[in-house]
Amino acid sequence: TQLLEQSPQFLSIQEGENLTVYCNSSSVFSSLQWYRQEPGEGPVLLVTVVTGGEVKKLKRLTFQFGDARKDSSLHITAAQPGDTGLYLCAGGTDKLIFGTGTRLQVFP
Amino acid sequence: DAGVTQSPTHLIKTRGQHVTLRCSPISGHKSVSWYQQVLGQGPQFIFQYYEKEERGRGNFPDRFSARQFPNYSSELNVNALLLGDSALYLCASSFVAGGAGELFFGEGSRLTVL
Repeated sequence: TQLLEQSPQFLSIQEGENLTVYCNSSSVFSSLQWYRQEPGEGPVLLVTVVTGGEVKKLKRLTFQFGDARKDSSLHITAAQPGDTGLYLCAGGTDKLIFGTGTRLQVFP
Repeated sequence: DAGVTQSPTHLIKTRGQHVTLRCSPISGHKSVSWYQQVLGQGPQFIFQYYEKEERGRGNFPDRFSARQFPNYSSELNVNALLLGDSALYLCASSFVAGGAGELFFGEGSRLTVL
């Protein structure tokens, strides 16, 4: 069974700080996706990483896929209150499974 | 174009009752997946349907069932409700089946079991 563990579970920071969220598994994934979910809404895709070692940037968000394709990280530079939400990694072959989630709160 | 629509948005049931949740996918999408999300946790996979056939089932009891109609809309049914079934039920549509494609989620149906 493929499992995706995320850390930290909760993160509460001040505007302007940097942070990193981790997504780890003992299984190899052909690709990993990162979603963000805001209260009252469904998750929305941020990025898909496919190649081991790949780095993708989305404005202040930097996503990295581990060389062995078992882990991924999300780094946010100069966090803003609008970054507040639940961050989810997801992967799978025959079905998409989600990680345990990281709840981020950014205070002004 | 309309996104994924789910109904009802909120509902309250009592233990032992059954519930039917409905989902309309994005036009052109043939795959629908259902997830259960307990507050503060990641969504848990329940079912995936593609072209009206079940393509995957998560670790949920037989009280959970689903189907997909010729117009690709879908229903999730839960029988003999338990308190632990209280959760946000998310429907997602995608163009392809499996885990590689992007999922587009609806806003969910929040079920409270008393």
